[in-house]
Amino acid sequence: AQKITQTQPGMFVQEKEAVTLDCTYDTSDQSYGLFWYKQPSSGEMIFLIYQGSYDEQNATEGRYSLNFQKARKSANLVISASQLGDSAMYFCAMREADNYGQNFVFGPGTRLSVLP
Amino acid sequence: DTAVSQTPKYLVTQMGNDKSIKCEQNLGHDTMYWYKQDSKKFLKIMFSYNNKELIINETVPNRFSPKSPDKAHLNLHINSLELGDSAVYFCASSPRGGGWGEQYFGPGTRLTVT
Repeated sequence: AQKITQTQPGMFVQEKEAVTLDCTYDTSDQSYGLFWYKQPSSGEMIFLIYQGSYDEQNATEGRYSLNFQKARKSANLVISASQLGDSAMYFCAMREADNYGQNFVFGPGTRLSVLP
Repeated sequence: DTAVSQTPKYLVTQMGNDKSIKCEQNLGHDTMYWYKQDSKKFLKIMFSYNNKELIINETVPNRFSPKSPDKAHLNLHINSLELGDSAVYFCASSPRGGGWGEQYFGPGTRLTVT
């Protein structure tokens, strides 16, 4: 079964608008970490934001925020004031406690296109 | 000052050949990984090493063999290359366990098997 689900293969957003990228996860662990990564067309993987399962506040990093709803097992990424440079693949990932906390699982990704 | 480096960046080779990809991190992390990203961008973990010890070994053909001479290096050797091995291979590192630190990725190695 998929541990990370990203239901939007592709998304479009107008420049300067906000956009939400969906992510749901599946784990029976109480302690885990959730991450978002960006992969532009140049190919590198760029870490954006992290949310711990015990964190009560939603994580924020500049224009990125993570809408964490633990009971629903969702960790959506919100990008405010989209910029053309935000066009990229976005991956949601989870780190579980298995194997000394080294088990990272990635979702299939969402391709975001920002329109001028 | 590159945190995680991989060589080579591009690798074009013929079926049946043996090749290696090298990875080094200067972050002092205990854990290193190899991922394969296929043409549909799906990222799948292949191996994880913690301080030179193999921790995760996903279902990967035994033609793939990781080697960690020390905790800063994790190399990937591939024997008898096949067309289906064509992909981008990423090395990554992370602090161990409890801090739940993120992974730092290398730039990737695009392997093309002809």
